[in-house]
Parts: sequence; C-alpha cells; structure tokens
Amino acid sequence: QVQLQESGPRLVKPSQTLSLTCSVSGGSISSGGYYYSWIRQHPEKGLEWIGRIFYTGATSYNPSLKSRVTISADMSENEFSLKLASVTAADTAVYYCVTELGPPINGFDVWGQGTTVTVSS
Amino acid sequence: DIVLTQTPLSSSVALGQPATIFCRSTESLVDSDGNTYLSWLQQRPGQPPRHLIYQVSNRYSGAPDRFSGSGAGTDFTLKISRVEAEDVGIYYCMQATQFPQRMFTFGQGTKLEVK
Repeated sequence: QVQLQESGPRLVKPSQTLSLTCSVSGGSISSGGYYYSWIRQHPEKGLEWIGRIFYTGATSYNPSLKSRVTISADMSENEFSLKLASVTAADTAVYYCVTELGPPINGFDVWGQGTTVTVSS
Repeated sequence: DIVLTQTPLSSSVALGQPATIFCRSTESLVDSDGNTYLSWLQQRPGQPPRHLIYQVSNRYSGAPDRFSGSGAGTDFTLKISRVEAEDVGIYYCMQATQFPQRMFTFGQGTKLEVK
C-alpha cells in the first residue's frame, strides 16, 4: 500500500516561493500506477486541486494557479515536489499530496496527512 | 466554470437515523464520454479526505454499504442509511472534467454531526 508524507517549510514570507516535497513509500512513482497530485484546503474553506505529475514527467495544472505552479518528480528519490511562486496570505492552507486515479474513478486514492503552510511576514 | 453547491451546510442527525446531503451543479456533469464523474468524499476530524462514491453511485474501496449515491445531470444526493458515530465529519461532492485536461472542483462541504 502506497503511503505519502509531505515535508517542507511551514512558514513562508509573502512574495516568496512555497516549496513542498512528498515522499512516496510502498510503491514507485515510475511504476505508472498513479498520477501524483497536490490538493490544498484553505482554512474554513473547501478543497482546491493544484495539479498533477505522471511518471512520464507530464504535468497538468489548475488554470487558476498555472502561472505560479511547478510540479516535478525525482524518480531516484521516489518523491515529487510542489513549488508555488509569489505567495500571498491567500495561499495559506493545508497542502496534501495525493495519488490520483484516471477513469473510471477520476478521483483520489491515497492521501498524505497534510502539512499546514502559513504565509506571513 | 462549474460550481457545486451543497445543501445543507450542516446537519445534526441522531444515531441510527438516515442522513441526506445534496449537491447541485451549475451545469450538467455528463461528460463527453457519456459518464458522470461526480464523487463524494468524507473528511473525518483531523484526517485527510477519503473517497466514498465515484461516478454518482459506485462505492469506492472500503466505503461502508450504508453510504449510497444517486442523481443525474445537475442534481446529486448522498445518503447514509443509518448514521453511526464514526460518520461525523465533512462531506464533499467533487466533479471531474476530462477535457481539455482532467481537473477537479469541489463543493463547499457539509458538516455532519451525530447526536
């Protein structure tokens, strides 16, 4: 069973770049069984899909964040990463790394526990 | 953009009683492939969400059979036949569009309390 663990700074200053890494255990990104995604959950608000990466390196991003987001993967370390540039207080959220399934599910299977990132000076 | 609106925003249901949550979309969720990618997720307190229902009415792996989904087009329902204490949490509907890329939007969530 795949397990995911997020890591990275919990506090980021406005205008800087938020960087998170998701370590994958119990399975290999390069096996191609899943897409690997990031989802965030704003305080007292709902969920927002940020984007995904496939083992081929192909990425897709939420259009609302596309200009600021980069998702990459390191197959040798079996981990994938999120970078979100030019952050503001609106980017304060719990960030989850998630395994994503295509059709017929078109949903999410395994979730990390989430990491809270606060944007503040 | 598709917007999903859930009602009620919160609900308090007695143990053993049924619970119903509604999700309405601003446009039809029937995909070009003929399928409807409407899912329901459960988020227990302090936990990440988990998938309960996919394609309107299919229970995901591990979802108890007291959970059922129904609906079509723009209107969807999640029903819990007999609420248990462990059902406390927030329930989200979620839709997936496939073109030009697969992406997801979520309802605002319904908080379920068990009394």
